[in-house]
Amino acid sequence: EAGVTQSPTHLIKTRGQQATLRCSPISGHTSVYWYQQALGLGLQFLLWYDEGEERNRGNFPPRFSGRQFPNYSSELNVNALELEDSALYLCASSQGQLANTQYFGPGTRLTVL
Amino acid sequence: GIQVEQSPPDLILQEGANSTLRCNFSDSVNNLQWFHQNPWGQLINLFYIPSGTKQNGRLSATTVATERYSLLYISSSQTTDSGVYFCAVGNNNDMRFGAGTRLTVKP
Repeated sequence: EAGVTQSPTHLIKTRGQQATLRCSPISGHTSVYWYQQALGLGLQFLLWYDEGEERNRGNFPPRFSGRQFPNYSSELNVNALELEDSALYLCASSQGQLANTQYFGPGTRLTVL
Repeated sequence: GIQVEQSPPDLILQEGANSTLRCNFSDSVNNLQWFHQNPWGQLINLFYIPSGTKQNGRLSATTVATERYSLLYISSSQTTDSGVYFCAVGNNNDMRFGAGTRLTVKP
């Protein structure tokens, strides 16, 4: 069974640009989560999607947004990139929206120059 | 929101040693997970353990929900155990991560 996949592996952008990160959940999983791991800040919850709807978001500005497609894959968009957006962005998926184990992808490392 | 504290922040062990990592949390939760982030950044789910005790090989975990803490035990540590161990707690899918314990196992 394939795990959670993310693309691209690495992404380099400049300040003010937009970044789009993609995530494919494990087959059968309907919930997708996005996390940011910035240097020195640990893991922070960004967004949770389930059945195509945003269910919860962490303490991030509106320029962090995303969506979930009918096949349950998801995109994370970051507009007006700032230097401090440089981080490892992790996607996770789980089966259903109850308290289930989350399985993580390998991450996308975003560097903003 | 729920506060999560992990200790110790850093731990250096000699190969073969045992260790205990702790996770304290501030409120009742129905979801608690332990993750291992390897040196390449990938997160691996170790345990889903909102209560009770589980074992998987050299790793085991115990959560005492009434006292709001969880422990991760690593026995006979190996160099491949190095990395950061995160505890994540929450209710339903609103998860909060601790700052992690950075474990270095020396050969």
